[in-house]
Amino acid sequence: GQQLNQSPQSMFIQEGEDVSMNCTSSSIFNTWLWYKQDPGEGPVLLIALYKAGELTSNGRLTAQFGITRKDSFLNISASIPSDVGIYFCAGRASGTYKYIFGTGTRLKVLA
Amino acid sequence: ETGVTQTPRHLVMGMTNKKSLKCEQHLGHNAMYWYKQSAKKPLELMFVYNFKEQTENNSVPSRFSPECPNSSHLFLHLHTLQPEDSALYLCASTALADSNEQFFGPGTRLTVL
Repeated sequence: GQQLNQSPQSMFIQEGEDVSMNCTSSSIFNTWLWYKQDPGEGPVLLIALYKAGELTSNGRLTAQFGITRKDSFLNISASIPSDVGIYFCAGRASGTYKYIFGTGTRLKVLA
Repeated sequence: ETGVTQTPRHLVMGMTNKKSLKCEQHLGHNAMYWYKQSAKKPLELMFVYNFKEQTENNSVPSRFSPECPNSSHLFLHLHTLQPEDSALYLCASTALADSNEQFFGPGTRLTVL
């Protein structure tokens, strides 16, 4: 079945540093979503991507839909302590209602 | 506030109990989802409903029984659960026709004793 590989699994960074994470799929998606989840809460949607090559920003966050449609990237610039959490990617192929989720990137920001 | 609410937020039940989880979305979406999130595992899709019709059952054991009476409400009925069913159960919804954005509720933290 479809699988999503998300990396890195975890990151420890200093406040003010930039962060990059990515997801790769074994098959083509027509939608990529990026979420952040705080402990004990549901994932919160950060960015949605719908076209290959699309680059979308949300404040300090920028995400890209890979040209091959099998990958996506999320960058966080100038990290702050409240960026701490788990970041998930999710992809959806055409003709299905199913979203496939990555394993998450746990981000810790050291002040 | 994502427009998707879940109750209860926390639930502790014995293996012989019967309980229900409730999800309600106020977004006018037509598709609703149940996911299970266990520690150190990816989100596992359980069920998908589109316009009240079940379109996906991801090989979920029959001790989990979903119900979707209308496109705004989704239930997950639980009976004779096992301790390994303890997890965060998340509900989500999406419009599908207009966009592919999926919005989650806050989840129900379930503990099975």
